[in-house]
Amino acid sequence: AQSVTQLDSQVPVFEEAPVELRCNYSSSVSVYLFWYVQYPNQGLQLLLKYLSGSTLVKGINGFEAEFNKSQTSFHLRKPSVHISDTAEYFCAVLVQGAQKLVFGQGTRLTINP
Amino acid sequence: ETGVTQSPTHLIKTRGQQVTLRCSSQSGHNTVSWYQQALGQGPQFIFQYYREEENGRGNFPPRFSGLQFPNYSSELNVNALELDDSALYLCASSPGTGSSYEQYFGPGTRLTVT
Repeated sequence: AQSVTQLDSQVPVFEEAPVELRCNYSSSVSVYLFWYVQYPNQGLQLLLKYLSGSTLVKGINGFEAEFNKSQTSFHLRKPSVHISDTAEYFCAVLVQGAQKLVFGQGTRLTINP
Repeated sequence: ETGVTQSPTHLIKTRGQQVTLRCSSQSGHNTVSWYQQALGQGPQFIFQYYREEENGRGNFPPRFSGLQFPNYSSELNVNALELDDSALYLCASSPGTGSSYEQYFGPGTRLTVT
């Protein structure tokens, strides 16, 4: 079975500071990796995904993530955050050929002015 | 291009009642997946429908059932509601079963069971 661990439940940062949201996963088979963002009272929006190829993936809103197979990690980064980045962020994995996304518990990113 | 839509937005039910939630998939998508997101948790996979057939199920009891219609819209039915069923129910559509990595989510239905 697959599992996803988001190492921080809450991350407070100041506006324009860099941020890293950490994600580790466990799987005995090959997976695809995703980061989703959820703004208050809304559904999930895909930030970025890793399917294959370059391990550095760029997404929307200036976010990027790096796939590290040996560390089974897929950490999300942004060099300079904005107030509008305040949201819940979810890391997820999908076994290749399977149907279900397996999500982590989420990390609440709070941006302070 | 119309995205994934869900109805209703909010719903309040009493324990023991039954509820039906609806989802319209994105144009061109024939696969719909349903997820339950309890407060403070990540979404949990309930099941997926492809061409009107169930195509995978998570660890949910049989009182959670679904339907998919010829136009690929879908319903989630929950019988004998329990307090723990209170959650945000998310629907996601994708272009095909082999494209589950392209899941696009709707805004969700917030169900409260009292």
